[in-house]
Amino acid sequence: DTAVSQTPKYLVTQMGNDKSIKCEQNLGHDTMYWYKQDSKKFLKIMFSYNNKELIINETVPNRFSPKSPDKAHLNLHINSLELGDSAVYFCASSQAIWGGKQETQYFGPGTRLLVL
Amino acid sequence: GQQLNQSPQSMFIQEGEDVSMNCTSSSIFNTWLWYKQDPGEGPVLLIALYKAGELTSNGRLTAQFGITRKDSFLNISASIPSDVGIYFCAGRPAGNKLTFGGGTRVLVKP
Repeated sequence: DTAVSQTPKYLVTQMGNDKSIKCEQNLGHDTMYWYKQDSKKFLKIMFSYNNKELIINETVPNRFSPKSPDKAHLNLHINSLELGDSAVYFCASSQAIWGGKQETQYFGPGTRLLVL
Repeated sequence: GQQLNQSPQSMFIQEGEDVSMNCTSSSIFNTWLWYKQDPGEGPVLLIALYKAGELTSNGRLTAQFGITRKDSFLNISASIPSDVGIYFCAGRPAGNKLTFGGGTRVLVKP
């Protein structure tokens, strides 16, 4: 069984549209994350939720809005998509946000977003 | 914010070779993690290090948490073709978030 899963794997859409990416983890972890990986493969954290509470909110346009309905899910909604939003978005989870082994992050397979 | 420099940016391997890559930070880290990303996949955890000086192996991979707590290295022994991919280090200073290095792209020598 997949530990961290994301849907969809591929998303192709027009500029200006609104889209959502979903993430689920079945590891029983308390903390979930969204990362953006650009064309140069650089991984940058966007958001982190711990027990459904927003912990990390990096300098991300407010067109991006994460939502955590429960500990096992963290979704990412993007409004008014722009060309520069094209990237691979990774969800990750960890047992806790701090604390040695508990903070080790496990990644999903990624969602490849292409904005035309 | 803290800087995390990973080198080399890319390397070519020949089957059977031992290769090494490292990460250095501008601040003291409490955690070092090494991940591998295959094309079209998410990063997969290879080795996690939590104490200065810690040396940990995972098969042909060995990683060490530098004694100064500002660096870590990853060694791959006896390379095989499936070692190709992007290797990322990630580190976390006390009270701060995990930061990723820029990755080391491992390619096969033509």
